[in-house]
Amino acid sequence: GNSVTQMEGPVTLSEEAFLTINCTYTATGYPSLFWYVQYPGEGLQLLLKATKADDKGSNKGFEATYRKETTSFHLEKGSVQVSDSAVYFCALSGYNTDKLIFGTGTRLQVFP
Amino acid sequence: DARVTQTPRHKVTEMGQEVTMRCQPILGHNTVFWYRQTMMQGLELLAYFRNRAPLDDSGMPKDRFSAEMPDATLATLKIQPSEPRDSAVYFCASALDRAEQYFGPGTRLTVT
Repeated sequence: GNSVTQMEGPVTLSEEAFLTINCTYTATGYPSLFWYVQYPGEGLQLLLKATKADDKGSNKGFEATYRKETTSFHLEKGSVQVSDSAVYFCALSGYNTDKLIFGTGTRLQVFP
Repeated sequence: DARVTQTPRHKVTEMGQEVTMRCQPILGHNTVFWYRQTMMQGLELLAYFRNRAPLDDSGMPKDRFSAEMPDATLATLKIQPSEPRDSAVYFCASALDRAEQYFGPGTRLTVT
């Protein structure tokens, strides 16, 4: 079945450092891919998405590219801020389905 | 600023008691999802509805959990009887058809 694997956390960085959070997936057909962010005490918010191979999703300085050849959707940001500290979830939805399948989440901690 | 609302935000109850969690989807959204988040299992889809009709509840323990939409502005998730293993954060999300899911802030349930 469909599944998402993302790197274990926590990821600890200094402000202005480069961020990569790895995400790989297993799916039949052509899934859509998502990154969600969860700030402390809040629900998940959609950060970015990509619906087909080679698409790049971007928002708030974050980017991720849908790589079908490596079944990956890694999240990157060139310069993180303390306010980016949160838990990041990679997710997919299969073709013609509403269901989102989430990875386990990666906690990011950014220190001044 | 349209948001999904959930009540209560926190609930502590004793094993064996009935628990009811409520969700008000964003006005105009016709699809409602219930998720459960735990440290061990991560985010799991319990059930979801479209136009108030249940589409999938395969993730929900049928013997003690029930989900309903009495009307288009209210979704409920009940647990009867509750058990300590039900302790988790329960999220509701709403969407218009298969568009982006908007999450509520969650109900943190503790069963002692």
